[in-house]
Amino acid sequence: GQNIDQPTEMTATEGAIVQINCTYQTSGFNGLFWYQQHAGEAPTFLSYNVLDGLEEKGRFSSFLSRSKGYSYLLLKELQMKDSASYLCAVRDGENTGFQKLVFGTGTRLLVSP
Amino acid sequence: EPEVTQTPSHQVTQMGQEVILRCVPISNHLYFYWYRQILGQKVEFLVSFYNNEISEKSEIFDDQFSVERPDGSNFTLKIRSTKLEDSAMYFCASSEALQSTDTQYFGPGTRLTVL
Repeated sequence: GQNIDQPTEMTATEGAIVQINCTYQTSGFNGLFWYQQHAGEAPTFLSYNVLDGLEEKGRFSSFLSRSKGYSYLLLKELQMKDSASYLCAVRDGENTGFQKLVFGTGTRLLVSP
Repeated sequence: EPEVTQTPSHQVTQMGQEVILRCVPISNHLYFYWYRQILGQKVEFLVSFYNNEISEKSEIFDDQFSVERPDGSNFTLKIRSTKLEDSAMYFCASSEALQSTDTQYFGPGTRLTVL
């Protein structure tokens, strides 16, 4: 089976740091992606992890532990425009074949002044 | 910066009618995908496409659905006889290759409303 869990909603204050967790159980694993999605818009790519550890990209960082089936997205120096849904997605598939993304339900982040 | 484009942005149709959703993937990308998102729900995989054939499809992608690459640039999703439950946002995505680092880039979506 495939299961990806994220908190439904989080709130934070402008300028703060927030960590959005994601746990997954999938039949195959070939990378974990984080996307940002504003209401009514397309998911936009934020970060990618395939090996254990932390990937940093400006104000955004993402961490992966494959043995624990766990990832988090860390957002620093929050801005009002960061209010959006954050989608955790696992690329399901082995080295060959076509690798669909399996998405979690997303975490809606509300940033307040 | 290259981007995936989709038309129309919004399609309203009557139940039982056929619809065709169009996508223009990023020009050097070879792998194409359709996903859908019912309002308030998660993004769900429908189908992947490479070298003019379907490579994988989900349970959602039944005989009512088909995909085509009619020319060198467009990638279409056809729903033959729409149902109320087909109302959703449909996203096209493309990726350059299948290496583990390749990212799928999403288009802006087509909101399909079936009445």
